[in-house]
Amino acid sequence: TQTVSQSDAHVTVFEGDSVELRCNYSYGGSIYLSWYIQHHGHGLQFLLKYYSGNPVVQGVNGFEAEFSKSDSSFHLRKASVHWSDSAVYFCAVRLPGTGSNRLTFGKGTKFSLIP
Amino acid sequence: EAAVTQSPRNKVAVTGGKVTLSCNQTNNHNNMYWYRQDTGHGLRLIHYSYGAGSTEKGDIPDGYKASRPSQENFSLILELATPSQTSVYFCASGESDWGVEQYFGPGTRLTVL
Repeated sequence: TQTVSQSDAHVTVFEGDSVELRCNYSYGGSIYLSWYIQHHGHGLQFLLKYYSGNPVVQGVNGFEAEFSKSDSSFHLRKASVHWSDSAVYFCAVRLPGTGSNRLTFGKGTKFSLIP
Repeated sequence: EAAVTQSPRNKVAVTGGKVTLSCNQTNNHNNMYWYRQDTGHGLRLIHYSYGAGSTEKGDIPDGYKASRPSQENFSLILELATPSQTSVYFCASGESDWGVEQYFGPGTRLTVL
């Protein structure tokens, strides 16, 4: 059974600062990883994904994530945040070859900017 | 852009009543999913489907049934609603070959009194 954990329930920074949202997973083999964003009152939207190849993947709106097998992590980063980035961010994992394409989501990190 | 719609957007039900939540997708995706979202739990999978006529149990199926009468439609049914089923419910669709990317509907807020 794979699990995914997001250690920070809430992260706050100033506009223009950089941010890193952490995601760790527990599974020994190959794994699909992804990040989703949820603005208040809306459904989730896909940001980016990783399965193999370059461990740094680029997403929309300047987001990127880096996979680390040694750390079992897939942290999300942005160099300079904007007010519109305020949202809840979910990390998700999926085991390959299961056929169901089921995702297991972390509990989410609420990201907000300091006014 | 993928399009997933849900109805109703808000619903108040009484304990013991029957509730049906509907989902429609125009992406021609084979897979569809029902999740519930609760504070402190993130999203949890209730039921999912590989295509018309199929339904599968997710991680928390107890108290819920699902129906997939067509490629486009996927319903979640609460035969005997309970207050513990008060939540926000999300439907999603995804392709079967590369299912990491799922497309979500706007959600249905259900309150069971």
